[in-house]
Amino acid sequence: DGGITQSPKYLFRKEGQNVTLSCEQNLNHDAMYWYRQDPGQGLRLIYYSQIVNDFQKGDIAEGYSVSREKKESFPLTVTSAQKNPTAFYLCASSIGPPSGGLNTQYFGPGTRLTVL
Amino acid sequence: RKEVEQDPGPFNVPEGATVAFNCTYSNSASQSFFWYRQDCRKEPKLLMSVYSSGNEDGRFTAQLNRASQYISLLIRDSKLSDSATYLCVVNGHTNAGKSTFGDGTTLTVKP
Repeated sequence: DGGITQSPKYLFRKEGQNVTLSCEQNLNHDAMYWYRQDPGQGLRLIYYSQIVNDFQKGDIAEGYSVSREKKESFPLTVTSAQKNPTAFYLCASSIGPPSGGLNTQYFGPGTRLTVL
Repeated sequence: RKEVEQDPGPFNVPEGATVAFNCTYSNSASQSFFWYRQDCRKEPKLLMSVYSSGNEDGRFTAQLNRASQYISLLIRDSKLSDSATYLCVVNGHTNAGKSTFGDGTTLTVKP
């Protein structure tokens, strides 16, 4: 059963701690993305990766880091430098790169991060 | 001005009504367009891509007007299950063709 999985579903963090959100896909998609969504707002791009071992900053990358060591996995670390990390985090993937014709994105179920 | 703008609503309509949403985009170089549906506290799910010639999927019709830089979504014979937030997505006008999401239009269909 192909798809995108994210874990955990809910995550609580104390201020000053780094946390890592997992994103795995078995769709054989080349491109993967991380978005942040705040209440009543659209999605904002944090990072994206077009191929293994390569990734690019999105519009709001400050305070976040990523890695793409495997095609299937694109974990996101929320560092203590992120001033307002409480949000809904969504991972997505697409067959091809963002600028190509196969750029339809499919989303995982998301992780809700709350900073206590 | 935002790159992609949607009327936030909410749109409250009775079952069976026809409702239309518009989404405007600022960059004429945009290449591809989509409508996603997002239920409360869930991930967005692709509803339909939007093609230049317009396209229909059952009760849903999407259209693109490149000259006026907007896309539209028409829902006919609204069902209670259509209640959700509808996100407009525009690709291709930023670096590497990244996606820009509208803030969404909320639809509530009432009995």
